[in-house]
Amino acid sequence: DAGVIQSPRHEVTEMGQEVTLRCKPISGHDYLFWYRQTMMRGLELLIYFNNNVPIDDSGMPEDRFSAKMPNASFSTLKIQPSEPRDSAVYFCASSLGEASTDTQYFGPGTRLTVL
Amino acid sequence: AQKVTQAQTEISVVEKEDVTLDCVYETRDTTYYLFWYKQPPSGELVFLIRRNSFDEQNEISGRYSWNFQKSTSSFNFTITASQVVDSAVYFCALSDLSGSARQLTFGSGTQLTVLP
Repeated sequence: DAGVIQSPRHEVTEMGQEVTLRCKPISGHDYLFWYRQTMMRGLELLIYFNNNVPIDDSGMPEDRFSAKMPNASFSTLKIQPSEPRDSAVYFCASSLGEASTDTQYFGPGTRLTVL
Repeated sequence: AQKVTQAQTEISVVEKEDVTLDCVYETRDTTYYLFWYKQPPSGELVFLIRRNSFDEQNEISGRYSWNFQKSTSSFNFTITASQVVDSAVYFCALSDLSGSARQLTFGSGTQLTVLP
């Protein structure tokens, strides 16, 4: 079975540009999570969706970040405009149920570099 | 508030040695789940194990074993006869029912290097 799919795997962009990260969760999973990993802060949850509806976006750092899930098989995380401090690895994860009861399976991550 | 502490930042062993990675957690809930994930140099996060708070049985999977002790709030991970391919960052994580966000709280990770 296919796992969580993320694209692109690597993204290099210049400050001020718009960046869109994409995620396809595991089929049948009702929950989708976006995480950011940095050396300074480790793994941080940005936002999560249940049945395509955003449930908690308290981890989104600022208004420059937005996430959507138009259907059960696709989600995007957008940064506009991007800044050098946004450089990080962004992971998408999905689970059958809530994090409190079900295992989250992670995608390979997108390594974002903002110059 | 929930918290996961992995006090060992880096561990280096020689191949075939046994190694234990420590994980200590804090939670106010009686129902919670503990996880271990592996992040190899390629960068992906690989799920290894999930344990619920009501199951204190130790688990063994091949060369991997996990020791869950509620009395000390620890969920330690042992690799027996380590191999170079075990070199990775290992994360312990906790999920409980507190708070509005059903999220995983990760420890800071332990970088394991297995030398040939």
